[in-house]
Amino acid sequence: AQRVTQPEKLLSVFKGAPVELKCNYSYSGSPELFWYVQYSRQRLQLLLRHISRESIKGFTADLNKGETSFHLKKPFAQEEDSAMYYCALSGQGGANNLFFGTGTRLTVIP
Amino acid sequence: GAGVSQSPSNKVTEKGKDVELRCDPISGHTALYWYRQRLGQGLEFLIYFQGNSAPDKSGLPSDRFSAERTGESVSTLTIQRTQQEDSAVYLCASSLARGGTEAFFGQGTRLTVV
Repeated sequence: AQRVTQPEKLLSVFKGAPVELKCNYSYSGSPELFWYVQYSRQRLQLLLRHISRESIKGFTADLNKGETSFHLKKPFAQEEDSAMYYCALSGQGGANNLFFGTGTRLTVIP
Repeated sequence: GAGVSQSPSNKVTEKGKDVELRCDPISGHTALYWYRQRLGQGLEFLIYFQGNSAPDKSGLPSDRFSAERTGESVSTLTIQRTQQEDSAVYLCASSLARGGTEAFFGQGTRLTVV
């Protein structure tokens, strides 16, 4: 069975400090991993996906199959990064269900 | 429309009444998902539709919950005999039928059972 775990419900960091939001997963096949973000009063939206290997708004995430992790990182947090972050998992290839973790609320302290 | 549309935006209902929530996905998106987001909680999977395949209903919390989708268009989530614990934001999302593609979310329906 698939499972996405985000161990931190709340995370606070100071502006300019590095931030890491943890995500671990379990999945029997080859997963596709995503990070979604929900800013205040906005819709949930895709931040980045592991297959794109891209950096969005300074955030990166590396899929570590050995540790079954997909942690989200940013070297210097900004106030506008304050939001709810969700790690999500889907099966690779074709159309598959999309499962979310419980989310981490990031607060960047000015 | 340009995005996923949900209606109503807000719904207040009395305990024991039935409610129907609607989701209009992006045209051409064959995958459609329903999630529940309780206050201060994460996203709880409810049901997943993919084209004409049998839906994945494994997330529905009780038999009071049901959902339908006609073809690749509108979906309705029905909650019968609502309870106070059903109060939450119900989110709908749609995506293309390809792995790794982005799911687009609606603005949600905030359901309050009084």
